[in-house]
Amino acid sequence: LAKTTQPISMDSYEGQEVNITCSHNNIATNDYITWYQQFPSQGPRFIIQGYKTKVTNEVASLFIPADRKSSTLSLPRVSLSDTAVYYCLVGDKTGGFKTIFGAGTRLFVKA
Amino acid sequence: GAGVSQSPRYKVAKRGQDVALRCDPISGHVSLFWYQQALGQGPEFLTYFQNEAQLDKSGLPSDRFFAERPEGSVSTLKIQRTQQEDSAVYLCASSTTGAITDTQYFGPGTRLTVL
Repeated sequence: LAKTTQPISMDSYEGQEVNITCSHNNIATNDYITWYQQFPSQGPRFIIQGYKTKVTNEVASLFIPADRKSSTLSLPRVSLSDTAVYYCLVGDKTGGFKTIFGAGTRLFVKA
Repeated sequence: GAGVSQSPRYKVAKRGQDVALRCDPISGHVSLFWYQQALGQGPEFLTYFQNEAQLDKSGLPSDRFFAERPEGSVSTLKIQRTQQEDSAVYLCASSTTGAITDTQYFGPGTRLTVL
């Protein structure tokens, strides 16, 4: 399983775009990159997943450069309700079932 | 069911007591995971089931921890002779195949406090 590194915390203001970068230098060819979001007193929730280039859904965008050694989760125009912990995970379909979340990035959105 | 449910939501135990935590996964989901989350930390993998088979229990911290899923649906995590360091939120998640690329759906967790 590839190890990931994320900033411990980030602050932002409402209406701004937030970019959270995750480093995964040892990512394997078959690995996908998945992001989860966790609010206080709740379990994590899937946000987005990608393999290369760019993926966009109704919640966020995920940018993955050609070397795939990092990825950036982009949250457009954040609101107070986006205050949460964001986790970056790396793995493949056949890499076993042990899922490693790491400490995540605590995003605090201010008014 | 609408999602993954867990019970109880909160459990207070005296040190040395045994506890049992229940997880009801999404109907039809083959895979079930248990995690332990300490305050301020990310979820730590405990164990994984595919139907009734426990395929990975490498994350269980000691032999006081035991999990089962006898009929391939509901799962129970049992902790014997609880210790203060067992205090944490215990999360259950289910998914269709169990692969890391498969979305895991989490329950709200059970907050265990050992006094």
